[in-house]
Amino acid sequence: DSGVTQTPKHLITATGQRVTLRCSPRSGDLSVYWYQQSLDQGLQFLIQYYNGEERAKGNILERFSAQQFPDLHSELNLSSLELGDSALYFCASSGRTQNTGELFFGEGSRLTVL
Amino acid sequence: QKEVEQDPGPLSVPEGAIVSLNCTYSNSAFQYFMWYRQYSRKGPELLMYTYSSGNKEDGRFTAQVDKSSKYISLFIRDSQPSDSATYLCAMSFNKFYFGSGTKLNVKP
Repeated sequence: DSGVTQTPKHLITATGQRVTLRCSPRSGDLSVYWYQQSLDQGLQFLIQYYNGEERAKGNILERFSAQQFPDLHSELNLSSLELGDSALYFCASSGRTQNTGELFFGEGSRLTVL
Repeated sequence: QKEVEQDPGPLSVPEGAIVSLNCTYSNSAFQYFMWYRQYSRKGPELLMYTYSSGNKEDGRFTAQVDKSSKYISLFIRDSQPSDSATYLCAMSFNKFYFGSGTKLNVKP
């Protein structure tokens, strides 16, 4: 158990809909990262938050947004969903400093868009 | 050129073999080096973490970092069918960079 919790584990929805994925980082971790992994593909970095502020942006679509709340949990919002958004979405957290090298992943949220 | 290069495999070995997994990178500023194991449809699990150059051993796993060659390796001794998974290398310098993963199959 990495200590990173993601909900929901599975989500099935229709094109055009909006979903919210939730992540609770490991206790004490200030950084939260979101990654997308399509079938048999590598991890695509979406966005990072550090202590409530956006820190880095990757290949995140404009239809997607995220935030990190004062209690450090984070949410990834996906809107106007398309078939191609079907993927595993992982949240990861890292330690108390900004530059620590250990990144711990949750079990992911599997999104299926029909 | 990608920041991190990793052979996707698949790599198929018999049970008990020594497995060598490798990554090369281009950014000499990387300071932290990690190996993750990912079972199908599961979250990546941190296996090994090293800072700067050198070797680190943990049970059947040994991680090596050669910063002069910009090359990192993960060795698995006495490989088991349960080691069958995708192995991702990662490295960081203020940001994390992942290899695309090597799929390993250990045959009983």
